[in-house]
Amino acid sequence: KNEVEQSPQNLTAQEGEFITINCSYSVGISALHWLQQHPGGGIVSLFMLSSGKKKHGRLIATINIQEKHSSLHITASHPRDSAVYICAVEGGATNKLIFGTGTLLAVQP
Amino acid sequence: GAGVSQSPSNKVTEKGKDVELRCDPISGHTALYWYRQSLGQGLEFLIYFQGNSAPDKSGLPSDRFSAERTGGSVSTLTIQRTQQEDSAVYLCASSRYRGSTGELFFGEGSRLTVL
Repeated sequence: KNEVEQSPQNLTAQEGEFITINCSYSVGISALHWLQQHPGGGIVSLFMLSSGKKKHGRLIATINIQEKHSSLHITASHPRDSAVYICAVEGGATNKLIFGTGTLLAVQP
Repeated sequence: GAGVSQSPSNKVTEKGKDVELRCDPISGHTALYWYRQSLGQGLEFLIYFQGNSAPDKSGLPSDRFSAERTGGSVSTLTIQRTQQEDSAVYLCASSRYRGSTGELFFGEGSRLTVL
């Protein structure tokens, strides 16, 4: 079993829909990252969370440390949101990141 | 520079040859990470530098892989006697903070193809 599990693995949505991507982890962490990777593109950091909730534009990220779970929400989704969204947890003595396998999101017009 | 710079962006090499990949982090960032992403696979941690030292080399897949960082800045990842399974995109990321990852800034990656 992977230490970081994401669901769903693939998600297709219609433009305007509210989207949720989930991340569960089994290790103790000091922080959790949400990353975005467009097809053929580089990786961009969206959020780093250690507790609570953060919002940036149409993106919202939440984390529940007790339940070892985080969610990434996209409101009013748009085709340009189509990308792979990756959850990564930071923990241990050396800040090594452990990555989920990613969620491939396709938003159709 | 304004962002994390990696070179070369693409490298095609023959099996058995050595390759060197370079990462130039954002100025002032003390933490530097190397990851790789094989085709259709997720991101795999390779090594982490804090300044010039590497507290965690646990992700290096074999002793053919080595990395160094000098002057707390540029890092090179060297793969000796490359194998076909080394083909991947090698990504570098840097972060400002010591002791905590902080926000990560990724380079565009170096795509390595071993024939």
